[in-house]
Amino acid sequence: SQQGEEDPQALSIQEGENATMNCSYKTSINNLQWYRQNSGRGLVHLILIRSNEREKHSGRLRVTLDTSKKSSSLLITASRAADTASYFCAPGTGGFKTIFGAGTRLFVKA
Amino acid sequence: DTAVSQTPKYLVTQMGNDKSIKCEQNLGHDTMYWYKQDSKKFLKIMFSYNNKELIINETVPNRFSPKSPDKAHLNLHINSLELGDSAVYFCASSSRQDGEQYFGPGTRLTVT
Repeated sequence: SQQGEEDPQALSIQEGENATMNCSYKTSINNLQWYRQNSGRGLVHLILIRSNEREKHSGRLRVTLDTSKKSSSLLITASRAADTASYFCAPGTGGFKTIFGAGTRLFVKA
Repeated sequence: DTAVSQTPKYLVTQMGNDKSIKCEQNLGHDTMYWYKQDSKKFLKIMFSYNNKELIINETVPNRFSPKSPDKAHLNLHINSLELGDSAVYFCASSSRQDGEQYFGPGTRLTVT
């Protein structure tokens, strides 16, 4: 198992703008997941992208995966104040152990 | 119906006490986890159970003892609580390795 490292650590944007967060990892993966955590709450699963996929969409979310660069990005389009949260990536290498990084803290100003 | 529930939501106790946190999932998952999230928001895995068997036991003081009476429950007992145990503890479950995890709402433990 390995830890994903999110970048930037914090991001502040205006409502309506797009937000892009990045995740890097070190070794081969089976899949990569993104989670959101609102303040004081548990993590919520957003999307899972498999290693043989390059892009995946879910509503206003777009995730890309570049296995050659060992990186993934999460794009939130037309952001809303309710998108304010921390976002974590979790590279999956098989097994039951998931290691979360420190996350990206997104602030969307109304 | 709540998928993953934890009790209590808040726990304030004094150093040296023993306390338990309970977790239940009604998703029919085989795997359950305990995580600790510190004040800097790092989320660290503590334990993982699969079909009631312990499969991951991270470097956690042996004052922490998980117990899984059945696949739907994973409780966490903490002996001789210390100030450094103050954190938010999350329970989670999943249906398979590397799969989507469902998290509980967390238990905020404060040791004074």
